[in-house]
Amino acid sequence: GAGVSQSPSNKVTEKGKDVELRCDPISGHTALYWYRQSLGQGLEFLIYFQGNSAPDKSGLPSDRFSAERTGGSVSTLTIQRTQQEDSAVYLCASSLVPGTDYEQYFGPGTRLTVT
Amino acid sequence: RKEVEQDPGPFNVPEGATVAFNCTYSNSASQSFFWYRQDCRKEPKLLMSVYSSGNEDGRFTAQLNRASQYISLLIRDSKLSDSATYLCVVNMNHKIIFGSGTRLSIRP
Repeated sequence: GAGVSQSPSNKVTEKGKDVELRCDPISGHTALYWYRQSLGQGLEFLIYFQGNSAPDKSGLPSDRFSAERTGGSVSTLTIQRTQQEDSAVYLCASSLVPGTDYEQYFGPGTRLTVT
Repeated sequence: RKEVEQDPGPFNVPEGATVAFNCTYSNSASQSFFWYRQDCRKEPKLLMSVYSSGNEDGRFTAQLNRASQYISLLIRDSKLSDSATYLCVVNMNHKIIFGSGTRLSIRP
């Protein structure tokens, strides 16, 4: 079946511009996660959705970052006034329910380059 | 101190060798534990969950030591296809913490 999809796969933007990244989770998955992975680094947790609400936004690095989820499905991560340090791969994952034992399925990521 | 720490490696071992990785976590209230595998420029994929009683899946064995707050992954009879980065993952109240990964390279 269809896995997690993300778009765009690659995004090059100029410093100061806003970008919007999209994640389509697996149908029926209620939990959705956003992570960031810089080159050669581990995954940095950004935000988690349970349905349309985000109980944990603690990982968002600054107020330039925001995310929303609508209809319990698609999520968008928006970065305003992008900076060069925002360059990274942004990964989205979904799981069936927001439980501690459920596998997360990852999308292929969006590679963001801020010039 | 990082919440989840792993030896970054790289571990470079010959095919057929046994290799083990450890991962330590700082929060004793952590609830669940996983090993994920990430191939170069690919997304992470679940390798196995880690249970208190220890669990085995073919050549892979995972163990959890709550008292010492570490988890381990043992790979027996390593294959070339095992070359990847292995990510330790700790879950506490839906806050998912990934370690920075241990790179494994299997040589012929």
